[in-house]
Amino acid sequence: DSGVTQTPKHLITATGQRVTLRCSPRSGDLSVYWYQQSLDQGLQFLIQYYNGEERAKGNILERFSAQQFPDLHSELNLSSLELGDSALYFCASSGDVGGTEGTGELFFGEGSRLTVL
Amino acid sequence: AQKITQTQPGMFVQEKEAVTLDCTYDTSDPSYGLFWYKQPSSGEMIFLIYQGSYDQQNATEGRYSLNFQKARKSANLVISASQLGDSAMYFCAMREPYNTDKLIFGTGTRLQVFP
Repeated sequence: DSGVTQTPKHLITATGQRVTLRCSPRSGDLSVYWYQQSLDQGLQFLIQYYNGEERAKGNILERFSAQQFPDLHSELNLSSLELGDSALYFCASSGDVGGTEGTGELFFGEGSRLTVL
Repeated sequence: AQKITQTQPGMFVQEKEAVTLDCTYDTSDPSYGLFWYKQPSSGEMIFLIYQGSYDQQNATEGRYSLNFQKARKSANLVISASQLGDSAMYFCAMREPYNTDKLIFGTGTRLQVFP
């Protein structure tokens, strides 16, 4: 158990709809990262938050948005869903930015599998 | 731009044999970290091993070792004494060292261990 909790684990919805994925990081971790893994693909970095502030942005579509709340949990909002948005969405967390703690390893949740029909 | 390349889409190995999964990287930063993660069919991402760019010795964790060749910019994962449970996707990743700590992942190698 990585200590990172993601809900829901599975989600099936229709094109054009909006969904929210939720992530609770490990206790004490300030950084939250969101990744997208499409079928048989590697992990694509979407966005990172650190202590409530956006820290880095990757290939995140304008239809997608995220935020990190004061209690450090994060939500990824996906709107106007398309078939191609079907993927496994991972949340990961880590300690201080800059690799000052340990190896800078990311701890991953089990993922939220989104299916858009 | 930083980049991770895994050129082996799939690998087969017989149980109890050793296998090497290739990973090359490209970065202009002098300080970086290299990671390997395992993703079984259940989907979770499991951290295996880490190598820092300034580490003098190759990292080892049980049956996993990282063959780090800095001049060649390669960080191959060696799994010794393969087990059926090692069948999974394996991802090489690199950490951007400054300001973000995000990991950049390769496309992965699917390893299948047969009896």
